[in-house]
Amino acid sequence: AQSVTQLGSHVSVSEGALVLLRCNYSSSVPPYLFWYVQYPNQGLQLLLKYTTGATLVKGINGFEAEFKKSETSFHLTKPSAHMSDAAEYFCAVTQSPFGNEKLTFGTGTRLTIIP
Amino acid sequence: DARVTQTPRHKVTEMGQEVTMRCQPILGHNTVFWYRQTMMQGLELLAYFRNRAPLDDSGMPKDRFSAEMPDATLATLKIQPSEPRDSAVYFCASGREGDTQYFGPGTRLTVL
Repeated sequence: AQSVTQLGSHVSVSEGALVLLRCNYSSSVPPYLFWYVQYPNQGLQLLLKYTTGATLVKGINGFEAEFKKSETSFHLTKPSAHMSDAAEYFCAVTQSPFGNEKLTFGTGTRLTIIP
Repeated sequence: DARVTQTPRHKVTEMGQEVTMRCQPILGHNTVFWYRQTMMQGLELLAYFRNRAPLDDSGMPKDRFSAEMPDATLATLKIQPSEPRDSAVYFCASGREGDTQYFGPGTRLTVL
């Protein structure tokens, strides 16, 4: 069984400040980890994914995440927050590096950017 | 720009009525997923298909929900009869080996 825990359902940061959204996973098999972003009244958009290889992965909009097996974590970061980053972010785990297996999502973190 | 399309985008209905939601996956994607998003439960998988065959529908209430893929370009999710607790946003997603999973814009269902 696989599961994901996102710490903090709401995170607020000032514009220009560091964004850190936390995700811890549990998996009995090597995990494939994803971050998705959801803007209001829209579907989910892939930000980045970890499959194999380099543990630091870079995504769209300046976001990156680091896979740390020893800590079972896959935290999402962005050095400088922008107003357009305000959205809900979901961490997900699956058994495939591709899009052909079901995703198990965390409960989401709503990111608010303070001007 | 290939996209997953869903219809309708919004649906308001009365308790007891039948609801049908439709999804057109991205051409060439052989796996289709139905997810439901609510405030209380978050995002949960209802069912998914590969090559039009159901692989897992354990997340779906069997007595009122049904999911089908009449052909490779259409997936349907039906609720009969609908109940207020079914109010949610229903997302369809599609994917394939070698590609990522893409989500549609969702159908926002309100059951009065």
